[in-house]
Amino acid sequence: KQEVTQIPAALSVPEGENLVLNCSFTDSAIYNLQWFRQDPGKGLTSLLLIQSSQREQTSGRLNASLDKSSGRSTLYIAASQPGDSATYLCATIFSGNTPLVFGKGTRLSVIA
Amino acid sequence: DTGVSQDPRHKITKRGQNVTFRCDPISEHNRLYWYRQTLGQGPEFLTYFQNEAQLEKSRLLSDRFSAERPKGSFSTLEIQRTEQGDSAMYLCASSLAGTRGNYGYTFGSGTRLTVV
Repeated sequence: KQEVTQIPAALSVPEGENLVLNCSFTDSAIYNLQWFRQDPGKGLTSLLLIQSSQREQTSGRLNASLDKSSGRSTLYIAASQPGDSATYLCATIFSGNTPLVFGKGTRLSVIA
Repeated sequence: DTGVSQDPRHKITKRGQNVTFRCDPISEHNRLYWYRQTLGQGPEFLTYFQNEAQLEKSRLLSDRFSAERPKGSFSTLEIQRTEQGDSAMYLCASSLAGTRGNYGYTFGSGTRLTVV
């Protein structure tokens, strides 16, 4: 079964700390991988999209890496701020015509 | 184009009633997806359309659920004879997919359904 796993389920850090969120997937032959942010009771906001041929993508304080051979992706957040508090979801397309499969997310709290 | 729109944002209904949700995708996107999300879980796939054709349905989509996308534009998701277990956030997304790849999903704000 094709699955996406995110560890840890929850994380609490002090403001200013750099942090890493982890995502693993069961099949290395993925099509692409996308990281999303979700605020409580809201929809999903796309943060970064990494195509299968890419190793990383960056946007501001966010950097996402992709290692297909090990079935892993990481989302690095630099200099965390209280406004970064949200649930971060990793999702991947396992083949061209299959839908996006999500992990359960990591709930991040950044304490001022 | 301001993104994916979903209506209503919230719906409270009595058990046994029928409900219908609407999704307006980004106009250039040819694919439209419906997902369901319960508290503490990631979104789970329900069904998707390419243009007006419904290409895949999840086993989660019981026969009480039906989705349409007439003319390949907006989509509706109907739940008949609602049950308390249908209470969830229903998310719609769209994407542009073709021979050169899939360019990422854009999600709407969701419709939160509460069945009482």
